Amino acid sequence: SAVISQKPSRDICQRGTSLTIQCQVDSQVTMMFWYRQQPGQSLTLIATANQGSEATYESGFVIDKFPISRPNLTFSTLTVSNMSPEDSSIYLCSVAQVGAGGEAFFGQGTRLTVV
Amino acid sequence: AQTVTQSQPEMSVQEAETVTLSCTYDTSESDYYLFWYKQPPSRQMILVIRQEAYKQQNATENRFSVNFQKAAKSFSLKISDSQLGDAAMYFCAYRSAMDSSYKLIFGSGTRLLVRP
Repeated sequence: SAVISQKPSRDICQRGTSLTIQCQVDSQVTMMFWYRQQPGQSLTLIATANQGSEATYESGFVIDKFPISRPNLTFSTLTVSNMSPEDSSIYLCSVAQVGAGGEAFFGQGTRLTVV
Repeated sequence: AQTVTQSQPEMSVQEAETVTLSCTYDTSESDYYLFWYKQPPSRQMILVIRQEAYKQQNATENRFSVNFQKAAKSFSLKISDSQLGDAAMYFCAYRSAMDSSYKLIFGSGTRLLVRP
């Protein structure tokens, strides 16, 4: 299994500002994902981070609001832009290895509070 | 589109007893994976157990086992000899084996309380 380090673990931000969350994996992985978990809710996929190209966004999520980078096979960032209180959530990075059984592993999450 | 349903928002079990968490799913696909994840208050999502749809044998991992009923599209998790550390949110998840997306679809979760 991969060891995933996510930073920051939590933050309190002012509305209208942006926050960039980092996800570092200890080994090269094929697939990287970003999920959002709103308070008391389940996980919803924001996008698949593609190495060297634009991320693939799920319905309801757009690049202007959630720009994602993935410069290599071990690192990705998610930015939450122009934040509002509705963006207060836990954001989780997840990785999976193609052909290795399909399990996804998760970082410890970033708890974001927007005030 | 595939969906995953967990109809039990909260379950409670006495320490050392057995509890079963329910999960049903809807799909038209024949090949897929099913997972149970545990999320303690630390927020870390931990894989508990996985099941491949083409395997008839139910998966088992120590005190955790599943009852996989493919025709009924049911995938329940049984926790035996419950321990205080089992208290957490449990999420059932589905992944298609028929596309290359590797995306997970999660149920709404079941909060498990363990009484000492």
